[in-house]
Amino acid sequence: EVQLLESGGGLVQPGGSLRLSCAASGFTFSSYAMSWVRQAPGKGLEWVSGISNTGGSPYYADSVKGRFTISRDNSKNTLYLQMNSLRAEDTAVYYCAKDLDALSVTKVFMDVWGKGTTVTVSS
Amino acid sequence: QSALTQPASVSGSPGQSITISCTGTSSDIGAYNYVSWYQQHPGKAPKLMIYDVDKRPSGVSNRFSGSKSGNTASLTISGLQAEDEADYYCISYTSSSNSWVFGGGTKLTVL
Repeated sequence: EVQLLESGGGLVQPGGSLRLSCAASGFTFSSYAMSWVRQAPGKGLEWVSGISNTGGSPYYADSVKGRFTISRDNSKNTLYLQMNSLRAEDTAVYYCAKDLDALSVTKVFMDVWGKGTTVTVSS
Repeated sequence: QSALTQPASVSGSPGQSITISCTGTSSDIGAYNYVSWYQQHPGKAPKLMIYDVDKRPSGVSNRFSGSKSGNTASLTISGLQAEDEADYYCISYTSSSNSWVFGGGTKLTVL
């Protein structure tokens, strides 16, 4: 079964850092681009970051550029999101998601999603 | 980058058809087919319903269809059913920031 399992969320103070992980199973992780999407409480979806299957092409939303870093370890079937200089407005459920097409350019057609991990930024 | 524009809410009766619009610019929807649509029920992860403007993933009902004209993409749901009641989001690649941007979301109510 294709699965994504996020972890690493929690309560952090403004200005702090957190690293999210997304463990993939049931598919050839190294063949697919991946994304992080977040949803603030009661709000809509916001695409945060994406990365190609090789890890060579990261993309970021303007709201997180310079503060967040996406990466992946294909040997561990794991996607990461390093979040620095966190702000109250980063409070959200963070989902990782898999692109639909294997061995393709990053298209952000997200066909498999994890259940999400909650990040709360508050003093 | 600015979010794509969707109506906040739409409604329809069972059996009817509805269309949700998603308006962008010539830097996103108007220039690329990297448009997809997602359904989200409360407390659940989103589900891919349409990709590449008008393609349906395996397992998605053919009552769902997508299209694009100019800078506007649309999601049409025919033969509305109670289980279609959910939030719907569009997303597109935008060259203005070399990233992807979601619409604000549309709440579909089945009357």
